[in-house]
Amino acid sequence: DIQMTQSPSSLSASVGARVTITCRASQIISNYLNWYQQRPGKAPQLLIYAASSLQSGVPSRFSGSGSGADFTLTISRLQPDDSATYYCQQSFTMSRTFGGGTKVEIK
Amino acid sequence: QVQMVQSGAEVKKPGASVKVSCKASGYTFINYYVHWVRQAPGQGLEWMGVITPSGGGTTYSQNFQGRVTMTRDTSTSTLYMELSSLRSEDTAVYYCARVQTPYGSSPFDYWGQGTLVTVSS
Repeated sequence: DIQMTQSPSSLSASVGARVTITCRASQIISNYLNWYQQRPGKAPQLLIYAASSLQSGVPSRFSGSGSGADFTLTISRLQPDDSATYYCQQSFTMSRTFGGGTKVEIK
Repeated sequence: QVQMVQSGAEVKKPGASVKVSCKASGYTFINYYVHWVRQAPGQGLEWMGVITPSGGGTTYSQNFQGRVTMTRDTSTSTLYMELSSLRSEDTAVYYCARVQTPYGSSPFDYWGQGTLVTVSS
């Protein structure tokens, strides 16, 4: 199975800050990389698919980049509503493995 | 609109089995693969497997091989995930999730609300 490694596992930032989360795959996955946001007690929600495509309805302060094995999720100006855990997921194979998650807290 | 509505919480004893349902609506049921994902308390997301609603074909994670069975009922647009030989480590929220497009390597765009399964003696 493809292993997905996210960093950092948690971060704390102020409102308005630029936040970057990275995700590395254990092998080349082209651009088959997705990002999800999960708030406590809720199901994950799709933010970014195919590495850089913004899911409908997602604010434009979220963006994704990368290809191959290294990817990045950026929140350009952190908002209080962005307090959540973020997961990357590869869709290169049918076995859709996830990264370990990054918990984002607001200072 | 697309909805994935799961069955309610379950409490099971070690060694028992649990069967979670996921009723789909708002789209052509047989066209979209559905995956199952679980999340233990305070932990991350773990992929369990996928079912092809049209033909019923399945692919399971090696972590659950021999213990998980995914099925579907096309007459009611309902998916099922059964996990057997339950142990305390299986205590988790179980989610069904539909893929975004009927082809290719697409992400999960619609999720069920989750079903808490508690395994306790």
